[in-house]
Amino acid sequence: KNQVEQSPQSLIILEGKNCTLQCNYTVSPFSNLRWYKQDTGRGPVSLTIMTFSENTKSNGRYTATLDADTKQSSLHITASQLSDSASYICVVSGYSGAGSYQLTFGKGTKLSVIP
Amino acid sequence: KAGVTQTPRYLIKTRGQQVTLSCSPISGHRSVSWYQQTPGQGLQFLFEYFSETQRNKGNFPGRFSGRQFSNSRSEMNVSTLELGDSALYLCASSQTGPRHLSNTEAFFGQGTRLTVV
Repeated sequence: KNQVEQSPQSLIILEGKNCTLQCNYTVSPFSNLRWYKQDTGRGPVSLTIMTFSENTKSNGRYTATLDADTKQSSLHITASQLSDSASYICVVSGYSGAGSYQLTFGKGTKLSVIP
Repeated sequence: KAGVTQTPRYLIKTRGQQVTLSCSPISGHRSVSWYQQTPGQGLQFLFEYFSETQRNKGNFPGRFSGRQFSNSRSEMNVSTLELGDSALYLCASSQTGPRHLSNTEAFFGQGTRLTVV
């Protein structure tokens, strides 16, 4: 069964500090891995998308890493800001045949950045 | 370019009723996927439509159905509502087509918050 596990479930950090969120997956066959940011009551917004051959991808203060061998990914946030407070969702895309893909979602890490 | 539009934003229904939610994808996108998000389960895949055909389906009961129109707009219907159907329903659109386009981005709407009382 395809699964995506994220840790920690929640995290509180001080403004200006760095943090790292983890994602482990068992989706097969693997197509790509995405990190989304979701503000409360709003739809998820894409941060990064990585394929099998990509190890690192950055988007401003967000840097995602992927180890396809161990099926692990991390999202590193540098110099956190209050606006980074949100849920961060790891999503893995798997090929489901006939040219179509299915996304498996982690339950997210709820990040709170405090002054 | 307009984003993904979902209507209505909020909805309150009573048990046993049915509900229809609407999703207008980004212009030019032919794939629309629907998801249910609850605090306990996170995001769960409902189904995906591509060019008016259901291409993928998640593990939800038959009370959950959908369709896609020729202009790519999609509707999702839930019949005989239960209290457990209370959730944020999200749709996402993308240009997904053949395998080599698998890494295309999926754009989410703001969601419809359904409350069943």
